[in-house]
Amino acid sequence: VQLVESGGGLVQPGKSLKLSCSASGFTFSSYGMHWIRQAPGKGLDWVAYISSSSGTVYADAVKGRFTISRDNAKNTLYLQLNSLKSEDTAIYYCARSGYLRYWGQGVMVTVSS
Amino acid sequence: DIVMTQGALPNPVPSGESVSITCRSSKSLLYSDGKTYLNWYLQRPGQSPQLLIYWMSTRASGVSDRFSGSGSGTDFTLKISGVEAEDVGVYYCQQGLEFPRTFGGGTKLELK
Repeated sequence: VQLVESGGGLVQPGKSLKLSCSASGFTFSSYGMHWIRQAPGKGLDWVAYISSSSGTVYADAVKGRFTISRDNAKNTLYLQLNSLKSEDTAIYYCARSGYLRYWGQGVMVTVSS
Repeated sequence: DIVMTQGALPNPVPSGESVSITCRSSKSLLYSDGKTYLNWYLQRPGQSPQLLIYWMSTRASGVSDRFSGSGSGTDFTLKISGVEAEDVGVYYCQQGLEFPRTFGGGTKLELK
């Protein structure tokens, strides 16, 4: 199983960014997937979940600003980040559902002017 | 939301000593299927978190048997029998019962 995030970077407050998580080594379409983030020097903070049937759940802090989606044909998970705030600065990890058995290496998102 | 609260360790810990990390949830994590939805993770410095224990006491594949999980519906313990250098990092408990998924604040293990 391998999960590889991409798409991070430096972005100004109020702008948008789209993260990707490329999955391999398992039947991607059969599993729910999560995004979890970690602000610099802080703990783990759950962000969003998408089920195998594309039902979604969000943390209150990102609801209405972030959108989780998936493309099963491409074995890829996405997180669209809109209206970014400085407090969204973090490493963003994707993880496979079940009990978060597999995590990606993370991608850094920095929101700063 | 379910609040997860973790205890601290008396760092630094001598190598070879056994330690217990505590975690408390604000709601019982025991589900009607008989499973308790409490997971433990270790995040080594500079690495992604790795799963150690799921369903409160089931060790993930490849995890040393020095790690064991126990508890009730709301109070949990991760025991490390004979800490080694590779055990250094931050330990997190996490509830998998409800959304939003929530993590404890983390417990840092440092070796003497």
